[in-house]
Amino acid sequence: SQQGEEDPQALSIQEGENATMNCSYKTSINNLQWYRQNSGRGLVHLILIRSNEREKHSGRLRVTLDTSKKSSSLLITASRAADTASYFCAASDDKIIFGKGTRLHILP
Amino acid sequence: EPEVTQTPSHQVTQMGQEVILRCVPISNHLYFYWYRQILGQKVEFLVSFYNNEISEKSEIFDDQFSVERPDGSNFTLKIRSTKLEDSAMYFCASSVGGVAIQYFGAGTRLSVL
Repeated sequence: SQQGEEDPQALSIQEGENATMNCSYKTSINNLQWYRQNSGRGLVHLILIRSNEREKHSGRLRVTLDTSKKSSSLLITASRAADTASYFCAASDDKIIFGKGTRLHILP
Repeated sequence: EPEVTQTPSHQVTQMGQEVILRCVPISNHLYFYWYRQILGQKVEFLVSFYNNEISEKSEIFDDQFSVERPDGSNFTLKIRSTKLEDSAMYFCASSVGGVAIQYFGAGTRLSVL
């Protein structure tokens, strides 16, 4: 299984702080993706990092990938209340396997 | 911006009944997927579909499930005889390529009573 596993399972931080979520997976991948899910809603694609990339930025998002450790991290800088959501990593080879997600709560 | 649309947003059915969940993928996409998410749990892959046939399916996708692309725009998931444990959010997704970004619909909440 290429299952992604995120940690922590839940994270509460003050607005304006940075949030870091980690993900580990088990087998080789083509790419790793991060998605956001607001409560009861669909999945929104945030960022994709390919297996030959080590770091990628998109706005306030920074993703790293360490294929030797089979791990990735998602950093959200200067968090906002609207960032409150669940965040999933998804290890992708011929199909996407999602992790259990990190529930991020931004405190005002 | 193009998006994946799913209907209905909420489907309530009696145990043993057949349900069809509908999806309209993004028009130039070639790969189609169904996932489900039981309340409070992770998103689970069900099936992928390409070139009018199933390319991969998980162990969840048993004989009670089927998928179809009846015309050029719709992609459906049929559950033949629903069970209580089929209650979940079902997400459709589509992508341009097999390892490309998948775009998800908002989901259909299936409630089996």
